[in-house]
Amino acid sequence: EAQVTQNPRYLITVTGKKLTVTCSQNMNHEYMSWYRQDPGLGLRQIYYSMNVEVTDKGDVPEGYKVSRKEKRNFPLILESPSPNQTSLYFCASSYGDRANEQFFGPGTRLTVL
Amino acid sequence: DAKTTQPNSMESNEEEPVHLPCNHSTISGTDYIHWYRQLPSQGPEYVIHGLTSNVNNRMASLAIAEDRKSSTLILHRATLRDAAVYYCILRDVKALVFGKGTRLSVIA
Repeated sequence: EAQVTQNPRYLITVTGKKLTVTCSQNMNHEYMSWYRQDPGLGLRQIYYSMNVEVTDKGDVPEGYKVSRKEKRNFPLILESPSPNQTSLYFCASSYGDRANEQFFGPGTRLTVL
Repeated sequence: DAKTTQPNSMESNEEEPVHLPCNHSTISGTDYIHWYRQLPSQGPEYVIHGLTSNVNNRMASLAIAEDRKSSTLILHRATLRDAAVYYCILRDVKALVFGKGTRLSVIA
């Protein structure tokens, strides 16, 4: 089954404790992206990757890192999480062209205390 | 990024057609019009997209104005499972830029 998976689905952590949210897709998509969703602010892009070893900042990249060493994986790294990073995070993937649909993962709900 | 304008909310009776409008007056010639929806507690889900011509798929139809400055997503028979926030998006190569969308309520 074609899908985007994220782990963990739920995470409660404390300020400053490094964490990684994994994202994997099995559709051989070139493009992958991370979004966060907050009440009243909607979905905003954090980082995206057009292909392996090619990443770029989205609208709200501060406090996050990403890497794209393999085509299927696009982990989101929070080196020193803070409470303002409490949010619902979605990973997405697609073929590179703007004509193509994006597939979204199920989301990761992160709480930083 | 080109902007879209949608009504905040709409309501429909079950099994009736629903027409969700979207204005995008600053659309460029290469912008694709995408529609996504987000059901409660789920990630966004692709619905349909088009460039110039009207499009149909198993979920919905997309009617695009001749000047491309507006479009309408058509759900032919709304069901309770169609209750969601619907987003009209002009897809940039870098990202889907989500606005606030239209919250569709379906009444049994």
